[in-house]
Amino acid sequence: KQEVTQIPAALSVPEGENLVLNCSFTDSAIYNLQWFRQDPGKGLTSLLLIQSSQREQTSGRLNASLDKSSGRSTLYIAASQPGDSATYLCAVKAGANSKLTFGKGITLSVRP
Amino acid sequence: ETGVTQTPRHLVMGMTNKKSLKCEQHLGHNAMYWYKQSAKKPLELMFVYNFKEQTENNSVPSRFSPECPNSSHLFLHLHTLQPEDSALYLCASSLSPGTSGGTSTDTQYFGPGTRLTVL
Repeated sequence: KQEVTQIPAALSVPEGENLVLNCSFTDSAIYNLQWFRQDPGKGLTSLLLIQSSQREQTSGRLNASLDKSSGRSTLYIAASQPGDSATYLCAVKAGANSKLTFGKGITLSVRP
Repeated sequence: ETGVTQTPRHLVMGMTNKKSLKCEQHLGHNAMYWYKQSAKKPLELMFVYNFKEQTENNSVPSRFSPECPNSSHLFLHLHTLQPEDSALYLCASSLSPGTSGGTSTDTQYFGPGTRLTVL
């Protein structure tokens, strides 16, 4: 059974810092991996999707990497801003028609 | 209105009540999903519908009854719920649950959720 772990559960950084959010998964046979953002009491917004054949994806100040063999993904946020404060969730998919398995998320707070 | 909408945004109900959650997507998608998000637990998939047909029921108790009359609308009918059912219920949609022609069509777009409290 696939398990997705995100540690730490919460992180607080000063504005402007570059930071890395980690995600690990137990079964390396994945189809794709997604990073989502969730603002308090709101739904999820897809940030980046990495297919199993890819090593990384970039969108603006965000860069997500995937290392299937070690069961890890990282979300790199450059020059963090208070508006980046949110919960970031990682989710993996085992197959094309499989469900997403989510981690519990990392709650990020960027201090002005 | 665009994207995925959910109503109501907040709901408080007693254990003997019957209520329904509504989800509507304006994205032309064919797949719709119900998720449950409880405090300190990962997001849990409840149901998946593809072209109005239920394709997955993730061992959800029968007190939760989904309905998908068309590809744009999804309901979750609630009856005789328990306090532990209190959670944020999220609806999502995607073009399809899988891929088409090697292109990923399964990116899910989420609604804002319904915060349910069962007394």
